Amino acid sequence: IAGITQAPTSQILAAGRRMTLRCTQDMRHNAMYWYRQDLGLGLRLIHYSNTAGTTGKGEVPDGYSVSRANTDDFPLTLASAVPSQTSVYFCASSEFPLGLAGDPDTQYFGPGTRLTVL
Amino acid sequence: QKEVEQNSGPLSVPEGAIASLNCTYSDRVSQSFFWYRQYSGKSPELIMSIYSNGDKEDGRFTAQLNKASQYVSLLIRDSQPSDSATYLCAVAGGGTSYGKLTFGQGTILTVHP
Repeated sequence: IAGITQAPTSQILAAGRRMTLRCTQDMRHNAMYWYRQDLGLGLRLIHYSNTAGTTGKGEVPDGYSVSRANTDDFPLTLASAVPSQTSVYFCASSEFPLGLAGDPDTQYFGPGTRLTVL
Repeated sequence: QKEVEQNSGPLSVPEGAIASLNCTYSDRVSQSFFWYRQYSGKSPELIMSIYSNGDKEDGRFTAQLNKASQYVSLLIRDSQPSDSATYLCAVAGGGTSYGKLTFGQGTILTVHP
């Protein structure tokens, strides 16, 4: 079982270009998430999906879009990259949406994508 | 004010000591609370989660939650050099905000021999 895979591992991108970061999980988890991590700012939620076919905006959604056509895949698209989107991007998943009434769930993170926008 | 605040670091403790990491949050309807460990250049990994007021112990780790004070902490007993990492506090929204996890900025812990 691979868990969560992300691609590419790293990418250097020219400003203005379109880029899709891929995320695939093989655990049949309902919920998936995209975060960016910047020095001094911690992890910030970009978009999330509580179940296939639904998505929601996180703390920093501007400039990013997501889709959740099936359970396993949750791609993140930068329509027109800007230098401020230089960051490490983590995809994550959990069996159920975090915070749903009940016992806390476990969230698994992918290995990350390091993106540099010049 | 940031929604989730962690005590400023870095925190340095000697091997064998107790490391205490603290976190406060602003959203009173928050339901679930998490502590993640992140080694440099790696992705975060969950080490503790807590839902109810009080203490929850798992090996050398104890999470403490006080919803009235909006405070959650992590104690690491018998600290080891391998515990040196950044520790991230995270809070899951309650009510209609479930699914949204808000992280603190992290506390760097160094355990020196």
